[in-house]
Amino acid sequence: QQQVKQSPQSLIVQKGGISIINCAYENTAFDYFPWYQQFPGKGPALLIAIRPDVSEKKEGRFTISFNKSAKQFSLHIMDSQPGDSATYFCAASTNQAGTALIFGKGTTLSVSS
Amino acid sequence: EAGVAQSPRYKIIEKRQSVAFWCNPISGHATLYWYQQILGQGPKLLIQFQNNGVVDDSQLPKDRFSAERLKGVDSTLKIQPAKLEDSAVYLCASSLTALNTEAFFGQGTRLTVV
Repeated sequence: QQQVKQSPQSLIVQKGGISIINCAYENTAFDYFPWYQQFPGKGPALLIAIRPDVSEKKEGRFTISFNKSAKQFSLHIMDSQPGDSATYFCAASTNQAGTALIFGKGTTLSVSS
Repeated sequence: EAGVAQSPRYKIIEKRQSVAFWCNPISGHATLYWYQQILGQGPKLLIQFQNNGVVDDSQLPKDRFSAERLKGVDSTLKIQPAKLEDSAVYLCASSLTALNTEAFFGQGTRLTVV
C-alpha cells in the first residue's frame, strides 16, 4: 500500500530525444506526486509536481502525465540534453494529512551527445 | 535564501562506534525530515518532526538510532552502535509546513561503516 514502483532502473537517450520514466502506486489516499532530480553528491531537488485533480502538467521541457484510474504517473523530458543526465525519483504523499514523501527507487538517465 | 545545511559531509567509522549528524533547516520551516539513502535506492524516511515534536518515527530503528530537535530549529541524528548496513547517505529535508509544501533537501552526509 505504501510503495511507489518506478521503472526503468536506467535509461540511455540520445540528445534531442524524449525520456520517459514511469511510476505506479497503490495507496489511493496519495494526493501529491512530485518528481525529484538528483546529481551525484547533491541532495534531491524538486523538478515538477502534480496533484490528482489534473491529468497533465508541463513546465518547460518537463511534463507529468497522471492517470488516476490506473494509479500511474510518468515524467516526460522533451529534447533531452546532456545536462539532464541525473537520477530521477518519483514520490508520493498524502500531503493534505501532512505525511512525508515516499520515494521510488530511482531512474538513472544518461543523455548521450 | 539559504538552503538546508548538513554536517559533516563525509564520515568514516568502525562498526560498533557511534556517530552524529547535524542539520539546520531553512529558516522558518516547521517540518524537518531525516531520510536514509542507500546506494542505488531512493530516500527512505527515518523520522519526521513538526517543530520539536515527532510526527512519524515508525521506520526509525530505535534500538540504535535516535534523533532530536530540541528548540524546533536544528536537529541531530545519532547512531549508536553503528552496523555495516548503516552505510548510506543521510539526508535532511525541511518544508514550511507538512501540508501542501515543497520539501527542500540538504546535500547529505555520506556515512561509511567499516
